[in-house]
Amino acid sequence: GENVEQHPSTLSVQEGDSAVIKCTYSDSASNYFPWYKQELGKRPQLIIDIRSNVGEKKDQRIAVTLNKTAKHFSLHITETQPEDSAVYFCAASIRGYQKVTFGIGTKLQVIP
Amino acid sequence: EAGVVQSPRYKIIEKKQPVAFWCNPISGHNTLYWYRQNLGQGPELLIRYENEEAVDDSQLPKDRFSAERLKGVDSTLKIQPAELGDSAVYLCASSLQLNSGANVLTFGAGSRLTVL
Repeated sequence: GENVEQHPSTLSVQEGDSAVIKCTYSDSASNYFPWYKQELGKRPQLIIDIRSNVGEKKDQRIAVTLNKTAKHFSLHITETQPEDSAVYFCAASIRGYQKVTFGIGTKLQVIP
Repeated sequence: EAGVVQSPRYKIIEKKQPVAFWCNPISGHNTLYWYRQNLGQGPELLIRYENEEAVDDSQLPKDRFSAERLKGVDSTLKIQPAELGDSAVYLCASSLQLNSGANVLTFGAGSRLTVL
């Protein structure tokens, strides 16, 4: 089955700096990669996703990149703000097949 | 729309006691998931339903865990008997596959189980 590895497990950045979270996946058939944000005590919520036919996708301050050859994808947050503090999970799945495998999460702390 | 509704939000029981969690998915979502999330970890799939059929339960500890999804809507997850290691948040999620094939999960608030 699919295995998703995520690092770092914790990340502290100064407000305004950028944050990068990296993930690798094992199943070359995976072709859909969502990212979820989980604030303390709340449910995970989708913030951005990318499909394998796209190398990069951007939405305001967040962007995702995908390298299919290397089987890794990354989340980039620019101009970080305190409200970005949360746990971020990457995931991988196969479009048309509903199984979604999550990474262990990265706890991001943005220091004001 | 209410989103994915779970109950109870919190449950404290002693080991060897039974416990049950309930999930009401978003209307029209045919896929329902039960995930377990241990502290500081990512969600781990326990079981996935397509309508009323369990299509992936390979990670469900079948000696003590059971689940059902009657009529392809609501679902219950039961643990009997509970063990100390079962303390976790049990997340229910549902999804509707988009035309693009993207599979967007909507999570419930979770049920936090503490086994003493």
